[in-house]
Order: sequence, then structure tokens, then C-alpha cells
Amino acid sequence: RKEVEQDPGPFNVPEGATVAFNCTYSNSASQSFFWYRQDCRKEPKLLMSVYSSGNEDGRFTAQLNRASQYISLLIRDSKLSDSATYLCVLRNYGQNFVFGPGTRLSVLP
Amino acid sequence: DAGVTQSPTHLIKTRGQQVTLRCSPKSGHDTVSWYQQALGQGPQFIFQYYEEEERQRGNFPDRFSGHQFPNYSSELNVNALLLGDSALYLCASSSGGDYGYTFGSGTRLTVV
Repeated sequence: RKEVEQDPGPFNVPEGATVAFNCTYSNSASQSFFWYRQDCRKEPKLLMSVYSSGNEDGRFTAQLNRASQYISLLIRDSKLSDSATYLCVLRNYGQNFVFGPGTRLSVLP
Repeated sequence: DAGVTQSPTHLIKTRGQQVTLRCSPKSGHDTVSWYQQALGQGPQFIFQYYEEEERQRGNFPDRFSGHQFPNYSSELNVNALLLGDSALYLCASSSGGDYGYTFGSGTRLTVV
């Protein structure tokens, strides 16, 4: 089983829609979690960290469920500019960052 | 405040050749990690350098080697290039703790 798994998509949604991505991880000792965004042929950029209590940044909400070992990202009121690949990332204490394969989102006009 | 800079941006090499990629970390960062990202996949960890030493290594063959200099900049060397080494090579810097990486824009390597 891969350490981080994501549905590759693509998720095709209309502007204004709410879309959610899930990510599962296999290492229960994983300490830190992040969502990165990657535009086509560009480098990944940190979207937000994910905290156990859940956290929100504008239209974006991230949740962590340690018991079930999954992380979610909710995007409300989708914009055309949200079209990108969303990478689920985790870090085990003192170790490198591990990336999922990414979920591709296309927001359609 | 400069972010992470990588050079060159694009490179075409022939099978069997050797290549060196370079990375300057973000100001204030002392740790450099290298990733390989094949088309349609997430970045795969190659290795990480801290205090001029390789601190961790992913599942990559010895053909992949690196170096970190006293100014924290880093090089990735790949010997005996294979067609399968064609990918986007990303450098990421950090300063410890559990903060996210800052990535450079990458070097796109094509092996023909």
C-alpha cells in the first residue's frame, strides 16, 4: 500500500460549486500534514497546513482524522483560478515530506 | 527576499551522460531536499542535505548523488542518465520544524 493515496480525478466542477478531496495515509506515526497546490508545469506551493482541530483559510477548509488516517480539503465557491492539482503531503517526525500523487481539479465556466 | 532558485530551468541530455543541477535555498533556510517528479505523478523524495551532509535518502540508486556547500546551496548530480530519468527535478528548502517546504521552480530534464 502506498504511503499516501489520493483520487487522481479529474474533478470537473462548475464555478461556484463546493468540492471536497480526501487523502488517506498508511503511517499512523505521521506528524504533520499539508495541502499543496501545483499548477500545470509549475512547482508545488503550500496551500495550507492541516491541524487536528481542523482549520479554515477563506474558502478552503482542511480536516484531519487521525483515527481513520485521512485528510480532507474542502473548497467552497470554486473559482476558475482554483483549477490545479492538489497534493496531499505528510511528514513523519524528523523525516522528509511525502507527497501523494495529487488530485486534479478543473473548474468550468 | 529571494525564494528558492534553481538552474538551469531546462536541460536536454543524451543517455549515458552526466548532469549537475543547482539550487540556492530561500534566505534563512539551511536544509535542502531534492525531489523528482515524473509526468502525472507526485514528487518523489531523492535526498535531503543539512549541515553539508546527506541526512536522509529516498529509494534512488547511487547514480544520484548530491552536495551541500557552506552557504547552504546544493547540487544534484546524476550519472549514466537513463531515459527514465526524464522528469522535473525540484529543490525545496526549509529551516527545520514542521513548516512546509518552499520549492524552487524546478529543472526540467529531458534525456534522449
